[in-house]
Amino acid sequence: EAGVAQSPRYKIIEKRQSVAFWCNPISGHATLYWYQQILGQGPKLLIQFQNNGVVDDSQLPKDRFSAERLKGVDSTLKIQPAKLEDSAVYLCASSPGTGVFNEQFFGPGTRLTVL
Amino acid sequence: AQSVTQPDIHITVSEGASLELRCNYSYGATPYLFWYVQSPGQGLQLLLKYFSGDTLVQGIKGFEAEFKRSQSSFNLRKPSVHWSDAAEYFCAVGAVDSSYKLIFGSGTRLLVRP
Repeated sequence: EAGVAQSPRYKIIEKRQSVAFWCNPISGHATLYWYQQILGQGPKLLIQFQNNGVVDDSQLPKDRFSAERLKGVDSTLKIQPAKLEDSAVYLCASSPGTGVFNEQFFGPGTRLTVL
Repeated sequence: AQSVTQPDIHITVSEGASLELRCNYSYGATPYLFWYVQSPGQGLQLLLKYFSGDTLVQGIKGFEAEFKRSQSSFNLRKPSVHWSDAAEYFCAVGAVDSSYKLIFGSGTRLLVRP
């Protein structure tokens, strides 16, 4: 079974530029998560989708970050414009459903460097 | 507020030695607790989880963890470390407010001496 796919794996941009990340979850997984992992910290949830609806985006900086999952499958996370403090690894995860009994499976992440 | 503390940023052990990684949590209700491992360039992989019942839980790769409610701890252990165990380890608590979410500690990087 294929795992969670993410692209690109690495991205370097200048501050104030825009960037987009893509995630393809495990087939059949209804729930998709985006996490931000700053160096030296654990992952922090940015947004959670259930199919194509947003369940939780309380920690998403909505003035510059946006995410969508239009057909309830793959998802994109966008930052516009980027700031230096956005340098981090962006992890995508998926699970069969929401709740504690649904294991989250993580992709390899996209490492973003903002110069 | 829910939180997870991993007091050790780095730990170095010799191959074949035993290992214990510390995790303390703060959560008002019965906690759901997890340990994940992250190898370089890889996503997080679930090692083990605690929901209820037996406080000593077994996981993959020979790891185990013990839940101690009185100490608010969920320490990860392995009796004999292999060089391939070198990685970053994250403790997490499953919390519910607006939704169910995982709250992670800051991680412990394990280095293994040959």
